[in-house]
Amino acid sequence: DGGITQSPKYLFRKEGQNVTLSCEQNLNHDAMYWYRQDPGQGLRLIYYSQIVNDFQKGDIAEGYSVSREKKESFPLTVTSAQKNPTAFYLCASGRQERNSPLHFGNGTRLTVT
Amino acid sequence: GNSVTQMEGPVTLSEEAFLTINCTYTATGYPSLFWYVQYPGEGLQLLLKATKADDKGSNKGFEATYRKETTSFHLEKGSVQVSDSAVYFCALQTQGGSEKLVFGKGTKLTVNP
Repeated sequence: DGGITQSPKYLFRKEGQNVTLSCEQNLNHDAMYWYRQDPGQGLRLIYYSQIVNDFQKGDIAEGYSVSREKKESFPLTVTSAQKNPTAFYLCASGRQERNSPLHFGNGTRLTVT
Repeated sequence: GNSVTQMEGPVTLSEEAFLTINCTYTATGYPSLFWYVQYPGEGLQLLLKATKADDKGSNKGFEATYRKETTSFHLEKGSVQVSDSAVYFCALQTQGGSEKLVFGKGTKLTVNP
């Protein structure tokens, strides 16, 4: 079945460590996205990529980095510069057409202590 | 700028009750409107959409009508079930690809038997 796989589901890190969240899709979508979800704040866009080897900052990119070396993969690194990294992270993909819906993974809950 | 405002939750209903979740938007141009649903521990799924004024989106007993005159896209269901318990997000998309998708903050619905 086609879909988006995020791993791991739960991740724990110590403050000061970088951590990379995995996102893989087999939907043949060109565009991929990373969102952060916090209680009461909805979804906020971190980074997005519309094509391999290219990506753009979203609304809250500071303290995060991404790469897009393959169409299927869009890993997100949460760096030690991110001041408040504990959150639920959602990866999504979609076609490059207006009105085309996003497909989401099941998310990774990151806890940094 | 573009924005989406949803009624604040949480909303708690008994099974078979009528559901309305209000959503209003501010946007330039003619946006497309979406409702996404997030079940516990999962990512978001598209519930329904409407792409122009007076369109009605429907799915799984849920409906929403794109009202340009009131800039609204309220979600309704005539008889909710326990399995409808989830967080519901209203979203809009303006010109361009999905990077222009703007989400509301979400409304948590709990349906009790």
